[in-house]
Amino acid sequence: KQEVTQIPAALSVPEGENLVLNCSFTDSAIYNLQWFRQDPGKGLTSLLLIQSSQREQTSGRLNASLDKSSGRSTLYIAASQPGDSATYLCAVPETSGSRLTFGEGTQLTVNP
Amino acid sequence: DAGVIQSPRHEVTEMGQEVTLRCKPISGHDYLFWYRQTMMRGLELLIYFNNNVPIDDSGMPEDRFSAKMPNASFSTLKIQPSEPRDSAVYFCASTQSGGGQPQHFGDGTRLSIL
Repeated sequence: KQEVTQIPAALSVPEGENLVLNCSFTDSAIYNLQWFRQDPGKGLTSLLLIQSSQREQTSGRLNASLDKSSGRSTLYIAASQPGDSATYLCAVPETSGSRLTFGEGTQLTVNP
Repeated sequence: DAGVIQSPRHEVTEMGQEVTLRCKPISGHDYLFWYRQTMMRGLELLIYFNNNVPIDDSGMPEDRFSAKMPNASFSTLKIQPSEPRDSAVYFCASTQSGGGQPQHFGDGTRLSIL
């Protein structure tokens, strides 16, 4: 059974810092990996999806990398802003379109 | 484009009552998922549909929970009778098959059973 772990559980940084969130998974036979953001009282917003054949994806100040062989993904946030404060979750599906297994999330606080 | 639409946003009801949660997926998406989120257990998949057919309902907690998808644009999750331990945020998500598309989530229904 796939297990997804995120470290750290919580992170507090001053505005402007670059930071890295970590995600690890036990079964490397993944189809893709997705990073989400969740604001309080809201649903999940998809940030980046990396296909299994890709090494990284970039969107603005966000960069996600994937190393299937080691079962790891990182989400890099450059020049963090208070508006980046949220919970970040990674998730992997077993096959395309099927159930996602989520990590517990990293709660990020960016202080002005 | 309209995203995934869930209703109601909040529901407070007494134990024993029937609760019906509703979801309208993004047009053209052929997969629909129901999740439950609690502090203790995080996000759990309850059931998912492909082309309106339930594919995996192994996450449904017990017989008190049922889900239907009568057509491509509507799904319901019903709890009858409801219990306090059902209190959680229930999310609906949809995606399009082929090529590993991202799942898109609704804003959820915050359910409180008194």
